Amino acid sequence: LAKTTQPISMDSYEGQEVNITCSHNNIATNDYITWYQQFPSQGPRFIIQGYKTKVTNEVASLFIPADRKSSTLSLPRVSLSDTAVYYCLVGDSNDYKLSFGAGTTVTVRA
Amino acid sequence: DTGVSQDPRHKITKRGQNVTFRCDPISEHNRLYWYRQTLGQGPEFLTYFQNEAQLEKSRLLSDRFSAERPKGSFSTLEIQRTEQGDSAMYLCASSSTGVLSPLHFGNGTRLTVT
Repeated sequence: LAKTTQPISMDSYEGQEVNITCSHNNIATNDYITWYQQFPSQGPRFIIQGYKTKVTNEVASLFIPADRKSSTLSLPRVSLSDTAVYYCLVGDSNDYKLSFGAGTTVTVRA
Repeated sequence: DTGVSQDPRHKITKRGQNVTFRCDPISEHNRLYWYRQTLGQGPEFLTYFQNEAQLEKSRLLSDRFSAERPKGSFSTLEIQRTEQGDSAMYLCASSSTGVLSPLHFGNGTRLTVT
């Protein structure tokens, strides 16, 4: 399973774009990159998943360079409700022991 | 999609007592996972079921822990002779077996051992 490294915390203000970069130097050919969001006292919630280049949905964008050794989750125009912990995971469909790590705590201020 | 439900949401027990948690996954999901999360940490994998078969157990799952998934539907996680170190959030997740099959988590059971 590929190990991931992401910042412990990030601060932002309402209306700004937040970019969280995750490093995964030993990503395997079959691995996908998946991001989850977790609010206090709730289980993690799937945000976005990708394999290469760029993926966008109604919540976020995921940018993956050609070498796939890192990825960046982009949250456009954050609001106070985006304050949460964000986890980057790397694995394929048979990786059922996915490691969440400590994640990145994003704090959005007014 | 009614989501993954877990019961109870909170459990307070005295050290040495047994506790059992229940998880009802999304009905069409054949994969079910249990995770444990302590304050300030990400979820840690405990065990995994494919249908009714328990295919993997973490070394975190001591002999006091047992999980079942009869008939491949709901699952239970039992902790015997609870210890204060068992205090944590216990999360259940389910997924399908497709290539892009993210985990769908319940909101967990918060266990406090006094």
